[in-house]
Amino acid sequence: AQSVTQLDSHVSVSEGTPVLLRCNYSSSYSPSLFWYVQHPNKGLQLLLKYTSAATLVKGINGFEAEFKKSETSFHLTKPSAHMSDAAEYFCVVSFTGTASKLTFGTGTRLQVTL
Amino acid sequence: DTGVSQDPRHKITKRGQNVTFRCDPISEHNRLYWYRQTLGQGPEFLTYFQNEAQLEKSRLLSDRFSAERPKGSFSTLEIQRTEQGDSAMYLCASSSTGPRGDTQYFGPGTRLTVL
Repeated sequence: AQSVTQLDSHVSVSEGTPVLLRCNYSSSYSPSLFWYVQHPNKGLQLLLKYTSAATLVKGINGFEAEFKKSETSFHLTKPSAHMSDAAEYFCVVSFTGTASKLTFGTGTRLQVTL
Repeated sequence: DTGVSQDPRHKITKRGQNVTFRCDPISEHNRLYWYRQTLGQGPEFLTYFQNEAQLEKSRLLSDRFSAERPKGSFSTLEIQRTEQGDSAMYLCASSSTGPRGDTQYFGPGTRLTVL
């Protein structure tokens, strides 16, 4: 069985400070891991994905995530938050290389303040 | 490059009515997925097609729900005898079978409100 746990339902940061959104996964097989972002009234957008190549994955808009197998984690980071980063972020797991359903975490709402 | 489109974007219906949603995937994608997202939750998988074949259905997909993809292009999701618990955002995604086959691209969703 596969599952994903987002450890924080809400994170608030000041503009210009680092962002850390935490995610732990459980998968019986070699996982594909993703981060998607959902802005209000907009569709889900892929930020980045891990598929067993480099463990440090760079995505769009300055985000990156590191796959740590020993910790079963895939935390999302950004060095400096921008107001436009305020959104809902989902950590997602699927089986590598298959046309598999995605299993979503419950989401982390990122708030960015001035 | 047009993305995944869904129609309608919003639907308000009365309990007991039937509703149908449409999804148009990215044109070269042969896989199409339906998900449901309720307030405060992440999307949950409902079903998926490869070309016109429906290959997997979630237990969430009760017998009041039916999905089709008759020509392997657009898909429809029908809910019969809607219930208030069906109120949710219904999301469609598509992907290809190439090297990037496990990346799903999502449409904007159809928000259903059952009164």
